[in-house]
Amino acid sequence: DGGITQSPKYLFRKEGQNVTLSCEQNLNHDAMYWYRQDPGQGLRLIYYSQIVNDFQKGDIAEGYSVSREKKESFPLTVTSAQKNPTAFYLCASTLLRQPNQPQHFGDGTRLSIL
Amino acid sequence: KNEVEQSPQNLTAQEGEFITINCSYSVGISALHWLQQHPGGGIVSLFMLSSGKKKHGRLIATINIQEKHSSLHITASHPRDSAVYICAVRRGSRLTFGEGTQLTVNP
Repeated sequence: DGGITQSPKYLFRKEGQNVTLSCEQNLNHDAMYWYRQDPGQGLRLIYYSQIVNDFQKGDIAEGYSVSREKKESFPLTVTSAQKNPTAFYLCASTLLRQPNQPQHFGDGTRLSIL
Repeated sequence: KNEVEQSPQNLTAQEGEFITINCSYSVGISALHWLQQHPGGGIVSLFMLSSGKKKHGRLIATINIQEKHSSLHITASHPRDSAVYICAVRRGSRLTFGEGTQLTVNP
């Protein structure tokens, strides 16, 4: 079955450490997105990519970095510059060729600071 | 003020009740999505609307473009409907999300 796989499901980070969250999709989708979810708040866009080797900042990109070397993969690195990284991170993807297609979401990664 | 506002924030119902969740937005959109998030965190897309009304099983979604308002209805609610329901509006290739409505259906 096609879908989006995020790993790991739970991740713990020490202060000052960079961590990378994995997102892989086998849906042949063009665009991929990273969102952050905090309690009581809506999902906020961190970064998105519409094509390989290109990506754009979202609303809260500071302290994060991404790469899009392959169509299927869009890893997110939470750097030590992100002062409040504890959150639930969701990856999503969609087809751009068909307007108004729904975004497909992964099951998320919950990141906590030790 | 958020671009997407949902109400209520929390909703508790008895099994069998008719449920309505509302979503208002303040910007021009190309489509509106209703999403369901279960306690484990995964999100599934329920509906995508650009006009009118859609129905899937016990779920009905409506949108009024002129009034910038959408509603999600659940008929004959069941405890398995307990989840967070999220409204999101599409502008270009991006989505803007409401804060979600936590629905609890008691047996």
